Amino acid sequence: GAGVSQSPSNKVTEKGKDVELRCDPISGHTALYWYRQSLGQGLEFLIYFQGNSAPDKSGLPSDRFSAERTGGSVSTLTIQRTQQEDSAVYLCASSPRQGWTEAFFGQGTRLTVV
Amino acid sequence: GENVEQHPSTLSVQEGDSAVIKCTYSDSASNYFPWYKQELGKGPQLIIDIRSNVGEKKDQRIAVTLNKTAKHFSLHITETQPEDSAVYFCASFSGTYKYIFGTGTRLKVLA
Repeated sequence: GAGVSQSPSNKVTEKGKDVELRCDPISGHTALYWYRQSLGQGLEFLIYFQGNSAPDKSGLPSDRFSAERTGGSVSTLTIQRTQQEDSAVYLCASSPRQGWTEAFFGQGTRLTVV
Repeated sequence: GENVEQHPSTLSVQEGDSAVIKCTYSDSASNYFPWYKQELGKGPQLIIDIRSNVGEKKDQRIAVTLNKTAKHFSLHITETQPEDSAVYFCASFSGTYKYIFGTGTRLKVLA
């Protein structure tokens, strides 16, 4: 595809359930980022993948959050035992290389925990 | 830690007037400073960026200035139009290889 694709667009889940959010980056982009945007707030860094290097997980808020990037392409963000405070828009971005260049964002997944 | 402060949080201007949004960053190793525009229900989109080796960049009605000594950078929009209404985010690309975003400015251009 032409841009970063995220699925689903919207997800409503019950408290305590696990959810998986998917990101398809732009083909050939080696860097991939996940951010969280709470209502009316800025973008909170979660995790960063660059090529085959170990990911930077320093932004993950708790051990309920994890992410994988398979084959250097598609990434999945998993939230276990969801809580109401996890409700937010989760944004994925990819970049053709590390640094000094634009990050292209997907449209986001709006997660609502009820 | 790394952070970017952004002001103001909301800004209302009359159509045709100028708008200025200011950001301050903390990581002196930051070398790239993009600005993103986010419309309702969409992901952020880059509108302009500046690298640390220049002090100013302009693209039609939009300009960005960078003062590395003071760790300040600003977005200037001239001749504002209603379609400029959106949330704007500044960011710095840090020495730890991630984009650190400001908290956003909601710009309203009044017709």
